Amino acid sequence: GAVVSQHPSWVICKSGTSVKIECRSLDFQATTMFWYRQFPKQSLMLMATSNEGSKATYEQGVEKDKFLINHASLTLSTLTVTSAHPEDSSFYICSARVAGGFSRTVYNEQFFGPGTRLTVL
Amino acid sequence: DAKTTQPPSMDCAEGRAANLPCNHSTISGNEYVYWYRQIHSQGPQYIIHGLKNNETNEMASLIITEDRKSSTLILPHATLRDTAVYYCIVRVAGNTNAGKSTFGDGTTLTVKP
Repeated sequence: GAVVSQHPSWVICKSGTSVKIECRSLDFQATTMFWYRQFPKQSLMLMATSNEGSKATYEQGVEKDKFLINHASLTLSTLTVTSAHPEDSSFYICSARVAGGFSRTVYNEQFFGPGTRLTVL
Repeated sequence: DAKTTQPPSMDCAEGRAANLPCNHSTISGNEYVYWYRQIHSQGPQYIIHGLKNNETNEMASLIITEDRKSSTLILPHATLRDTAVYYCIVRVAGNTNAGKSTFGDGTTLTVKP
């Protein structure tokens, strides 16, 4: 259980185009999803927190107009990189938080997707 | 969330126990210690977590000091597939901010044959 998928697993696009990345919780409902970015040889950096049915909360320094997040259902959040440029090339990882329940077995709470490798030419 | 400090790298012989330390001296009373690992080009994988008692599961053991200012992740019989970056994170569980993990640099564990 607690599987999170991402689509696509990798994408190559031209500079100036927009790219949409999907994050799905396959066997549980997620009221909250998180989006991370990871550059080569660096750690994960939290970009934003996505809450179902409301606006995302962005971390300091992350441009909300460039990284559009939509969390329209309890199992799907999307990250759209608008007008992508080579410096946006990175590994984008989402994670999902289980909706409700505070039993010990769900205190792990955060389940990560496999990541999406974005390369902007 | 409290800041954690981990050694940047460690080596371990295959079949031996790997002991990965983590300092979290500013941990709050309601913060849990979580361990994740990330194998190259994959998403982080949950390993184990704990509040103040030692914990064990099928993957690892977690030893938390009595003052909770540090912990050790133990992989009892490391294999080559355990080569990964290991992250120690402390965060609150069970509220609206739960699940928001701040990742440090982690420890790169290399298991050698």
